[in-house]
Amino acid sequence: NAGVTQTPKFRVLKTGQSMTLLCAQDMNHEYMYWYRQDPGMGLRLIHYSVGEGTTAKGEVPDGYNVSRLKKQNFLLGLESAAPSQTSVYFCATRTSGDNEQFFGPGTRLTVL
Amino acid sequence: TQLLEQSPQFLSIQEGENLTVYCNSSSVFSSLQWYRQEPGEGPVLLVTVVTGGEVKKLKRLTFQFGDARKDSSLHITAAQPGDTGLYLCAGARAGNNRKLIWGLGTSLAVNP
Repeated sequence: NAGVTQTPKFRVLKTGQSMTLLCAQDMNHEYMYWYRQDPGMGLRLIHYSVGEGTTAKGEVPDGYNVSRLKKQNFLLGLESAAPSQTSVYFCATRTSGDNEQFFGPGTRLTVL
Repeated sequence: TQLLEQSPQFLSIQEGENLTVYCNSSSVFSSLQWYRQEPGEGPVLLVTVVTGGEVKKLKRLTFQFGDARKDSSLHITAAQPGDTGLYLCAGARAGNNRKLIWGLGTSLAVNP
């Protein structure tokens, strides 16, 4: 079992470029989350999903979009990247009956 | 406003010393979790506490949930270099456990 995987691991973008981060899980978990982690700011929730076909905004959703077309995948899109989106992005999953979140290894994104 | 305050923010100690990390809030949580994050990886759950006054032990780590379920502490006895990492607390609110409230973390360095 791979658990929670994220692709890519690293990416450098220029301002204005777009990209999609992929989170995949083989744990059959209903809930999936996208966080960003910045020094001194902790983990901040961008968007989350409680099931296939549903998404909801977190505390910092501006500039990001998400889709959950399949239960095992949760995509995070940046339509027009900005330097303020330079961060480490983590995906996490959990079951509907337990608060424990399982995290992927992260994607380090730099926007120049 | 940070709903979960962690202290200290940074801690550097020598191998063999004891330490305590605190996680405080003015809000009541239905459960509280402690995670450890190592450099370049995602957070990993250490423990979940649910009942006010609950104490859980994980080898040299002792976790306590406050009687009023507003605060928690993590005590490490005889710290080892392998304990080095970022310790994060996260709380689930009653009636809204889809999202966790995260502390900013305590960065611990244990020097040989």
